[in-house]
Amino acid sequence: EAGVAQSPRYKIIEKRQSVAFWCNPISGHATLYWYQQILGQGPKLLIQFQNNGVVDDSQLPKDRFSAERLKGVDSTLKIQPAKLEDSAVYLCASRIPGRGSGNTIYFGEGSWLTVV
Amino acid sequence: GENVEQHPSTLSVQEGDSAVIKCTYSDSASNYFPWYKQELGKRPQLIIDIRSNVGEKKDQRIAVTLNKTAKHFSLHITETQPEDSAVYFCAASIVQFYFGTGTSLTVIP
Repeated sequence: EAGVAQSPRYKIIEKRQSVAFWCNPISGHATLYWYQQILGQGPKLLIQFQNNGVVDDSQLPKDRFSAERLKGVDSTLKIQPAKLEDSAVYLCASRIPGRGSGNTIYFGEGSWLTVV
Repeated sequence: GENVEQHPSTLSVQEGDSAVIKCTYSDSASNYFPWYKQELGKRPQLIIDIRSNVGEKKDQRIAVTLNKTAKHFSLHITETQPEDSAVYFCAASIVQFYFGTGTSLTVIP
């Protein structure tokens, strides 16, 4: 089956500029996550969607980060204005909620952001 | 929220030896514990997982053990090979997934 698709793969921007990342989850996966992975660290949850509703955005820096999943499929993550410390890989992941193999989350290849 | 700690942060082993990575978690309600392997520049990929109603699971050279009482779980890789070199992440989950800080494993030929 097709995996989680993300774009762009790489982005370099200057601080205070804006950037947007796009994610297309695996077909049929109702749950979608955005994670931030700083070099040398584990993925940190930014936001979780269930269909088009937000389940958890407690760790999303809402003064500069926003995310939406309007039709319950694709999602975008925006950063405006960017700071140097936002340099990281932004991983999108999805899963089918429930028990069994559906508990597994599948990651995209990530969008690498460098803020200079 | 859940807090997952992972040790060691780096691990070097000779090819053919075993490697063990340990994680602890704080929330006793966590019921699913996956392990991911991440090669440089690639996405994290699930290699093995275990649910809270199981104490041990094995898949060829990889095994995971879970001690619910002590709230810790471990990844065991036997007969390591150079291609096992990567960063390994543990995670604990109820609904959200909380990840450890990663272990960089190097298998020396």
